[in-house]
Amino acid sequence: EPEVTQTPSHQVTQMGQEVILRCVPISNHLYFYWYRQILGQKVEFLVSFYNNEISEKSEIFDDQFSVERPDGSNFTLKIRSTKLEDSAMYFCASSEWDLDRGNSPLHFGNGTRLTVT
Amino acid sequence: GDSVTQMEGPVTLSEEAFLTINCTYTATGYPSLFWYVQYPGEGLQLLLKATKADDKGSNKGFEATYRKETTSFHLEKGSVQVSDSAVYFCALSEEIDSWGKLQFGAGTQVVVTP
Repeated sequence: EPEVTQTPSHQVTQMGQEVILRCVPISNHLYFYWYRQILGQKVEFLVSFYNNEISEKSEIFDDQFSVERPDGSNFTLKIRSTKLEDSAMYFCASSEWDLDRGNSPLHFGNGTRLTVT
Repeated sequence: GDSVTQMEGPVTLSEEAFLTINCTYTATGYPSLFWYVQYPGEGLQLLLKATKADDKGSNKGFEATYRKETTSFHLEKGSVQVSDSAVYFCALSEEIDSWGKLQFGAGTQVVVTP
């Protein structure tokens, strides 16, 4: 079964550094998402992306965050200047277009654990 | 705003026991409801869903019924196995055209012992 793949599985960075988290969504999917889960807290929506632009973003997704689909397969999340509170598990997800429903349930990757020191 | 509340864990059970994980929600409209499962070291996987009142979602022996009158979507399984040990997340989506923006509960860890 096709999978969403995320790299790296664990990223350690120093506060203030830029970090890029990478995701390869399922190939025929059209909608892409980033979620995060701070340790001990709920999984939170960050951003959705469709047709090469952001569809929706949460309050968490401020100017320090950006997303990009640089080619036909990758979907990236960039944090420009990391803060300690950015430490979390970041999940990428994708979904396909469904003719009846207009969308389909999300398929999640295994996540990237980001540790900011 | 929308929210999802689910019972705290961990829930520890013996194999073949009956499992219930309670989930209630608040929403302004008529959300779609989901249960996701996260096995150790893996991402979240959709377990089942229900899109309207009285719908029953089912998969792998798990069931949940969308109860609008009690705003609940409790997950049940009649006989759990060790392989069901995981974290279970209840979630909702208010979006009409998309199920992508999900509101998750805090997750309930289930531990099944032999």
